[in-house]
Amino acid sequence: GESVGLHLPTLSVQEGDNSIINCAYSNSASDYFIWYKQESGKGPQFIIDIRSNMDKRQGQRVTVLLNKTVKHLSLQIAATQPGDSAVYFCAEDANAGGTSYGKLTFGQGTILTVHP
Amino acid sequence: EPEVTQTPSHQVTQMGQEVILRCVPISNHLYFYWYRQILGQKVEFLVSFYNNEISEKSEIFDDQFSVERPDGSNFTLKIRSTKLEDSAMYFCASSLQGADNEQFFGPGTRLTVL
Repeated sequence: GESVGLHLPTLSVQEGDNSIINCAYSNSASDYFIWYKQESGKGPQFIIDIRSNMDKRQGQRVTVLLNKTVKHLSLQIAATQPGDSAVYFCAEDANAGGTSYGKLTFGQGTILTVHP
Repeated sequence: EPEVTQTPSHQVTQMGQEVILRCVPISNHLYFYWYRQILGQKVEFLVSFYNNEISEKSEIFDDQFSVERPDGSNFTLKIRSTKLEDSAMYFCASSLQGADNEQFFGPGTRLTVL
């Protein structure tokens, strides 16, 4: 079936540390993955995405790693700042044979707390 | 920077009443979505909409729910007869293309059913 789950529900780090947030997915047909950041009272905000034909993608201070063999996704945040404190969700789009019109399946979320 | 907007930010209604949640997607986007998030839980897909028709819907999106694009800018979600369990944050999203494309989310409408 389709499910996306997170290994760690909470993560607490010191400012300046690197953070790693993990996500497991079970749908091998998923070919597009996104990390969203959600601050309190706001909608999900796009951070970075990766397609299944890649295993790594870098953005500004963030890196997403995709391991299709073990169906694992991770988000690395370098030099974490207090403003990074939020809930982080992974999401997948299983566009199997073109049958998806953008339906995203979200994971449970990880609460990241950055202490100054 | 273009953004998705939603109104109202908070809607309180009595059980059994109809509510309409409104969204203005990003102007050149072609695909539109509604998601909901019950407090403390993950974001759940409700429906996707393209070319003036529903392209995909979840099991949550039953006969009590409907969507409409009444004009060139608005995208609405109607709940015909609200239930207590409909209380949640409802997020509208839009994307330029469908599958495998970044979806931009609005700030959400908090629906409280009493």
